[in-house]
Amino acid sequence: DAGVIQSPRHEVTEMGQEVTLRCKPISGHNSLFWYRQTMMRGLELLIYFNNNVPIDDSGMPEDRFSAKMPNASFSTLKIQPSEPRDSAVYFCASSSQGGNEQFFGPGTRLTVL
Amino acid sequence: GQQVMQIPQYQHVQEGEDFTTYCNSSTTLSNIQWYKQRPGGHPVFLIQLVKSGEVKKQKRLTFQFGEAKKNSSLHITATQTTDVGTYFCAGPRYNFNKFYFGSGTKLNVKP
Repeated sequence: DAGVIQSPRHEVTEMGQEVTLRCKPISGHNSLFWYRQTMMRGLELLIYFNNNVPIDDSGMPEDRFSAKMPNASFSTLKIQPSEPRDSAVYFCASSSQGGNEQFFGPGTRLTVL
Repeated sequence: GQQVMQIPQYQHVQEGEDFTTYCNSSTTLSNIQWYKQRPGGHPVFLIQLVKSGEVKKQKRLTFQFGEAKKNSSLHITATQTTDVGTYFCAGPRYNFNKFYFGSGTKLNVKP
């Protein structure tokens, strides 16, 4: 298995632009997580899905952030409009069932100018 | 709400010295996981502890879960330069699916 796949690996955009991050979880995993990592705030859970259904999005910073999981093999995290304070590394992770180890993707390093 | 605190924030050791990082929760944890993140990399799962007082070893790494299931520790014996990275503990909140990560301990090993 290729592991969790994220794209793009790096994204540089200007303030106000829409940003879409993509994730393909490990096949067969039914839980998917989006995290944001910054020096100041560490690793923060933004949202997680179970069987493609968003279970808890309390970590999503504000309405500018949205996430979808249209099927078991694909999820997106969208920021619209983006702001410089959104600059961070965004990780996607998946697990086979609740409480099991999470497999992280390589992350997307987002820079908003 | 439940918080998972981790200390120290940074640790610099000479190669061959031991290293310990501590994880403390304000509430009882059903289980705890440990991850390692190399510089520029992504978190990688190391281990999960479930039972009160549980101790697990992986070569030079020893993981412990407190009797009250509110704290945990990771001890590395005779550190090597390959141990460099940030070590995170993660504890579940409300249900198994949602883990909260500690702030991490960044380990630097001088050769």
